[in-house]
Amino acid sequence: ELKVEQNPLFLSMQEGKNYTIYCNYSTTSDRLYWYRQDPGKSLESLFVLLSNGAVKQEGRLMASLDTKARLSTLHITAAVHDLSATYFCAEYSGAGSYQLTFGKGTKLSVIP
Amino acid sequence: GAGVSQSPSNKVTEKGKDVELRCDPISGHTALYWYRQRLGQGLEFLIYFQGNSAPDKSGLPSDRFSAERTGESVSTLTIQRTQQEDSAVYLCASSLWVRVAGELFFGEGSRLTVL
Repeated sequence: ELKVEQNPLFLSMQEGKNYTIYCNYSTTSDRLYWYRQDPGKSLESLFVLLSNGAVKQEGRLMASLDTKARLSTLHITAAVHDLSATYFCAEYSGAGSYQLTFGKGTKLSVIP
Repeated sequence: GAGVSQSPSNKVTEKGKDVELRCDPISGHTALYWYRQRLGQGLEFLIYFQGNSAPDKSGLPSDRFSAERTGESVSTLTIQRTQQEDSAVYLCASSLWVRVAGELFFGEGSRLTVL
C-alpha cells in the first residue's frame, strides 16, 4: 500500500522560530512535491524535487529530498504569521501509474 | 483561461439526487486529475486522464461516480444518487504532461454538500 506520512500533523510555532516538517514515503519514486493550502482555498505548488539530494529554497522555506531514506523535509526559517497554512507533500505512485499521492497535511499556525 | 476553472463553486443537493461538476483545465495541459478532500482531511485521488489514453479510474469510490473528458478539454465528474458521505470539496488539477515532472495546477474546487 502506498503511503505518504507527514509529521507533525499540527504545528504551532512562534514567530521567528525555526522548524522542520517531515514527509516519509513508501515507494522508490524520485519525484516529490510540496503544496500549500490556505483555509478555504485551493492548493498552491511550492516545490518540485526531482532527484536525490535536491534542495530548493523560496523565501523562508527550504525543501530537500533524500530518495535513499525516502524522506523529504520542509524547513521553515524565522517563521512569520503569513506562513500559517496547511502544507502537503505528495509523490508519484510509480511505474505505470501517475497518481499523485498526498500526505494528510501539516497544519501550521505561526503565533506572535 | 489562465488557470484551472471549476464550476459550480458550491453545490447543495438533497440525498439521492445526481450532481455534475465541471472542470476546465489550463489550455495545452494534457493531464487532468480529480481529487476529493473531505473536511480537514488530505486529498483522495479519484481519477486521471492523459490525452486519449484510457483513464485511470482506480480511485473512484463506487460505481455512483463517473467522469468523462473529451480530448484535452473540459471534464465532468458525475455523482449519481448522492449520499451524505459524498459531501466534500472536489478538486480538479491539470498538468502539462504526466510523464514530465511538472507539478499539478489546482482549481479552486467545487464544494458539495449533500443534505
